[in-house]
Amino acid sequence: NAGVTQTPKFQVLKTGQSMTLQCAQDMNHEYMSWYRQDPGMGLRLIHYSVGAGITDQGEVPNGYNVSRSTTEDFPLRLLSAAPSQTSVYFCASSYSSTATNSPLHFGNGTRLTVT
Amino acid sequence: GENVEQHPSTLSVQEGDSAVIKCTYSDSASNYFPWYKQELGKRPQLIIDIRSNVGEKKDQRIAVTLNKTAKHFSLHITETQPEDSAVYFCTPPDSWGKLQFGAGTQVVVTP
Repeated sequence: NAGVTQTPKFQVLKTGQSMTLQCAQDMNHEYMSWYRQDPGMGLRLIHYSVGAGITDQGEVPNGYNVSRSTTEDFPLRLLSAAPSQTSVYFCASSYSSTATNSPLHFGNGTRLTVT
Repeated sequence: GENVEQHPSTLSVQEGDSAVIKCTYSDSASNYFPWYKQELGKRPQLIIDIRSNVGEKKDQRIAVTLNKTAKHFSLHITETQPEDSAVYFCTPPDSWGKLQFGAGTQVVVTP
């Protein structure tokens, strides 16, 4: 199993550009989520999904969209990039649909810089 | 996350000493309590977890204790080594699956 795969690893955007961060898992996990991590800070939840076709907002959803058309994929879209979105983004998945009784498996992260 | 408090925020220990990190939560519905370790520049990874039907779990030098009455669980690292230097996160899930992380504890093990 590849686990959780995130692409790209690095990305530089100009303010106002849009892009999609890709996340795929091959573990048949129901739960998937996106976090951002700013320097010296913890992980803040952006959006999450408890199964295909179901998404919900986390702590910091503004400026981001997600969709979950398949169990495997959970892309994160930046609609109009802003410097405040410069961060490291982690995708994570979990076996249980609400991730309340099984661990999160993280991807290797995407380092995004918005100039 | 607003429902999670983690203490201390930084912890400096001499190699060989013990380290203890405490996580306090508010959601009484939680019954799964994991700890994650994040080394510099890497992804967080699970190091140990505990379920609410037990009070303590140990895995070599790492242990987790749970006090459901007081709503806190703690990570214990004994005989610390330089490779234990990392940021440690707790994340008790709320009843809606909205996983919020504590702010993290930076552990520095000095030789």
